[in-house]
Amino acid sequence: NAGVMQNPRHLVRRRGQEARLRCSPMKGHSHVYWYRQLPEEGLKFMVYLQKENIIDESGMPKERFSAEFPKEGPSILRIQQVVRGDSAAYFCASSTGKGNYGYTFGSGTRLTVV
Amino acid sequence: DAKTTQPPSMDCAEGRAANLPCNHSTISGNEYVYWYRQIHSQGPQYIIHGLKNNETNEMASLIITEDRKSSTLILPHATLRDTAVYYCIVRVNAGGTSYGKLTFGQGTILTVHP
Repeated sequence: NAGVMQNPRHLVRRRGQEARLRCSPMKGHSHVYWYRQLPEEGLKFMVYLQKENIIDESGMPKERFSAEFPKEGPSILRIQQVVRGDSAAYFCASSTGKGNYGYTFGSGTRLTVV
Repeated sequence: DAKTTQPPSMDCAEGRAANLPCNHSTISGNEYVYWYRQIHSQGPQYIIHGLKNNETNEMASLIITEDRKSSTLILPHATLRDTAVYYCIVRVNAGGTSYGKLTFGQGTILTVHP
């Protein structure tokens, strides 16, 4: 039973390019959460999605960032026109949405903007 | 979600018990206490959670005071691999469903020494 899979593990983009980060939740999990961790800082919530729906996007920057979780396929976090300040580790977590258990996190994607 | 307060760092000798405190004096009656840890920039790992009773699993024990204003995570026999940042989080579990975002603070950096 594979865990939460994130790819790529490392992503280098030049300023102005687009970054696409993928997250495949654990089997049977229909709830996905994205978090960002800037260098030397804590984890910050970005967005919470269920299949085809955004439930809570209160942590998403207003511009350039978007997220989706289509009926088929992985969840995608998309960053348009990246800037150096977007350099961070981006973690995805998934859950069944039921019960009182914690999420399962992936290993993260480390985005470096040069 | 209620705010938590943790010491920024702690040390522990290998093989000894590590007791990590957390204050959550504004916790509400329907908020659970969760503990996660993050080992050297890996994805956060769920450890344990509880509402008001003490809890134990294969990783740790969670002791919650009777007034629920504080708790202690106990790693009974710490190893070098337990060196990590430990996060105490309080969160509502709405109607028995896993719900919404986790708010991570700065956590406690636990260093286990040989």
